[in-house]
Amino acid sequence: DTGVSQNPRHKITKRGQNVTFRCDPISEHNRLYWYRQTLGQGPEFLTYFQNEAQLEKSRLLSDRFSAERPKGSFSTLEIQRTEQGDSAMYLCASSEQGPANTEAFFGQGTRLTVV
Amino acid sequence: AQSVSQHNHHVILSEAASLELGCNYSYGGTVNLFWYVQYPGQHLQLLLKYFSGDPLVKGIKGFEAEFIKSKFSFNLRKPSVQWSDTAEYFCAVNAGTNAGKSTFGDGTTLTVKP
Repeated sequence: DTGVSQNPRHKITKRGQNVTFRCDPISEHNRLYWYRQTLGQGPEFLTYFQNEAQLEKSRLLSDRFSAERPKGSFSTLEIQRTEQGDSAMYLCASSEQGPANTEAFFGQGTRLTVV
Repeated sequence: AQSVSQHNHHVILSEAASLELGCNYSYGGTVNLFWYVQYPGQHLQLLLKYFSGDPLVKGIKGFEAEFIKSKFSFNLRKPSVQWSDTAEYFCAVNAGTNAGKSTFGDGTTLTVKP
């Protein structure tokens, strides 16, 4: 296993279009997280899954955003009716459930540009 | 709610200079603390982490950080930087109940001149 994988690496879309990103976590990790990172800022938590259950969503996740993890393995993040403000790097991370002192591993991200 | 403040947005050093990047957090409970590094074009990588025990933690590539609970600080240090340390550095904190749900600072860009 080579780590957390995200596809595509880059996506350019026109305003108003829908986009979908995919994240494949480390295989034995049952927790999966989505973050958004805009220029000049650190990553901001969006949502996380434990297995297939979406357990928490940030207020940053507007109703145009939806995330799924249907079989508890890979996850998708969809943005509907994209806006220029959605332009950002979308990061995925995964971790074991285990004791509190575990760590999350990040993928390389999908950079979204809305034109 | 947790917050993380990184005081230096951009630091420029010459090779062999010493480095200290500041990080302060606000959270009243037990915390786990992290420093991540992001090299140009690469993903976030963990430099070091603090969960409990010795407040001076050592990470990869000669980095270390000291947790000072009374100051809510977790500053990153390296005695002698190299050109290859040029990267963006992020401090992060989580409440310890969820490994991946962290609050990040806005990052410090380190440029090391050869």
